[in-house]
Amino acid sequence: DTEVTQTPKHLVMGMTNKKSLKCEQHMGHRAMYWYKQKAKKPPELMFVYSYEKLSINESVPSRFSPECPNSSLLNLHLHALQPEDSALYLCASSQETGVGQPQHFGDGTRLSIL
Amino acid sequence: AQTVTQSQPEMSVQEAETVTLSCTYDTSESDYYLFWYKQPPSRQMILVIRQEAYKQQNATENRFSVNFQKAAKSFSLKISDSQLGDAAMYFCAYRSWGNTPLVFGKGTRLSVIA
Repeated sequence: DTEVTQTPKHLVMGMTNKKSLKCEQHMGHRAMYWYKQKAKKPPELMFVYSYEKLSINESVPSRFSPECPNSSLLNLHLHALQPEDSALYLCASSQETGVGQPQHFGDGTRLSIL
Repeated sequence: AQTVTQSQPEMSVQEAETVTLSCTYDTSESDYYLFWYKQPPSRQMILVIRQEAYKQQNATENRFSVNFQKAAKSFSLKISDSQLGDAAMYFCAYRSWGNTPLVFGKGTRLSVIA
């Protein structure tokens, strides 16, 4: 069982829809991450939150909007996505953002844009 | 920029045998961390093993061990007594100090043959 819980597991949405991905962890971790993973490719970092503040935005288009309401919860709000945004979206957390801190990943949300 | 190269897109191993997955990286840093992550079809990325560059002793975790050659910038993963559950995509990753992202290789897909 994963300690990082992501919902929903699958999401199909149209290009005009607004939806949100949710990620939750109860390990007391203070760093949380969003990654995008295309098929047969490694994950690509999108955002990093440290102590509930956005610390890294890897030049992600504004149609992706992250939010960290508290230390246990991370959301990714989606609006006006494009078909090329179809991918697996992985959330991860670590105790802090220190270089040696292992990141614990969730099972991901498989997103399909029609 | 740091890069991570996994030269074997696919590997296979007989159950109970040993297999080695290769990883090389490029960096000008002297201290950093290296990781091997496993991603089975269930999609969750699972940390297998990690190594700090300043530690000369190779890391081991049960059946998993690494051969870390700092001068050669090589970080291979050895899986002993391979089990069917080891079948997965394996990603080598690098991270340096500072507010830097985890850099992944392209992955090696490991099949275990019964």
